[in-house]
Amino acid sequence: ETGVTQTPRHLVMGMTNKKSLKCEQHLGHNAMYWYKQSAKKPLELMFVYSLEERVENNSVPSRFSPECPNSSHLFLHLHTLQPEDSALYLCASSQGPGGNTEAFFGQGTRLTVV
Amino acid sequence: RKEVEQDPGPFNVPEGATVAFNCTYSNSASQSFFWYRQDCRKEPKLLMSVYSSGNEDGRFTAQLNRASQYISLLIRDSKLSDSATYLCVVYLISNFGNEKLTFGTGTRLTIIP
Repeated sequence: ETGVTQTPRHLVMGMTNKKSLKCEQHLGHNAMYWYKQSAKKPLELMFVYSLEERVENNSVPSRFSPECPNSSHLFLHLHTLQPEDSALYLCASSQGPGGNTEAFFGQGTRLTVV
Repeated sequence: RKEVEQDPGPFNVPEGATVAFNCTYSNSASQSFFWYRQDCRKEPKLLMSVYSSGNEDGRFTAQLNRASQYISLLIRDSKLSDSATYLCVVYLISNFGNEKLTFGTGTRLTIIP
């Protein structure tokens, strides 16, 4: 059973919709990540939060907006997406600075933009 | 040069054979190294960490060569259940204290009965 939970597991949205992906971790970790996995491409780091502060924004378009209200929750707000944004979005967490660097992943949200 | 580079495969290997994957990384300041396993349509899961002295976990052996900046994974006596994509992962803390886990493209392994 994963300690990182993502909802929804599947999402179909139109290009004019606004939706949010949610990630929750129950591991007491201080760092959380959003990754994008497209078909036949490596995992692409999108955002990193460490101790609830955004420490990395990997040149992600502004139509993706992260939010980290506390160390256990991470959101990815989506608006006016494009079909090429269809992918598996994975959330991960790790202990954070000075801790074990192993990352635990949620099961992902499979997003389809139509 | 890519930050983390792997041969994407696919590797099609008969059951019981030994198979090895290599991975190279570009940043010599990288601090930690891992192999993750990802099954089809599932999330990646940690297979093993990689230490400079080399480490073994059952049929799996991982090695790190810092001088040449590569890590390897050896699977002995392969099983059908070993079929998956194996991801090389490199961890780095930048000078500004930012953490970054960088994934390779993954190597697809299929074990053939």
